[in-house]
Amino acid sequence: EIVLTQSPATLSFSPGERATLSCRASQTVTSTFLSWYQQRPGQAPRLLIYGASTRATGIPARFSGSGSGTDFTLTIGSLQPEDSAVYYCHQDSYLPPTFGGGTKVEL
Amino acid sequence: QVVLQESGPGLVKPSETLSLTCTVSGGSLDRKYWGWIRQPAGKGLEYIGRIYSTGTTNYHPSLQSRVSMSIDTSSGQFSLKLISVTAADTAIYFCAQSLQYCSGNNCFRYFDLWGRGTLVTVSS
Repeated sequence: EIVLTQSPATLSFSPGERATLSCRASQTVTSTFLSWYQQRPGQAPRLLIYGASTRATGIPARFSGSGSGTDFTLTIGSLQPEDSAVYYCHQDSYLPPTFGGGTKVEL
Repeated sequence: QVVLQESGPGLVKPSETLSLTCTVSGGSLDRKYWGWIRQPAGKGLEYIGRIYSTGTTNYHPSLQSRVSMSIDTSSGQFSLKLISVTAADTAIYFCAQSLQYCSGNNCFRYFDLWGRGTLVTVSS
């Protein structure tokens, strides 16, 4: 099973700042099978990024994804209060699909 | 607009069977994959399994001996059964659409739509 390690566990920011979230895979992951999700308290996860770098429908341009191989990054430019959430990376390159442990972004 | 909604008992006794249904409205289940993911309180997401519209399934190896899924495309529903539950199965259970397609030389796979989730507690 592929293990996804997210870092840091928690990030604290002020509105307008930039956040960089890391996701490292225990084996090479095909980037088209790497996605990112946002989960606000009490809500279901919401797809942000698929294919490592493509924003899902309706996702603001301040969210961007990059990376390949074993290292992937989610960047949130100019953080807004509504960005307070836990962010998960997910790989569906190998079975079973796995999720990272999450990064909590606190504003 | 496709909406997914989980339903089922919120309380299950230890050693009994957890049964949940996901109703999909606003779209067809045909030629698509549908999945179940769970999340224990305060913890991360765990893949349970996935079913294709024809009934082909894939389960997480750690749950394979206890889990089964079914689908009824005519009624717009797919279901999860987990037998012999313990307290460790207490979690929020989400159903989701697992989108899988190829565009040019690239193929993509991700969970694009999720239900709101339903809390299942295993307790006597």
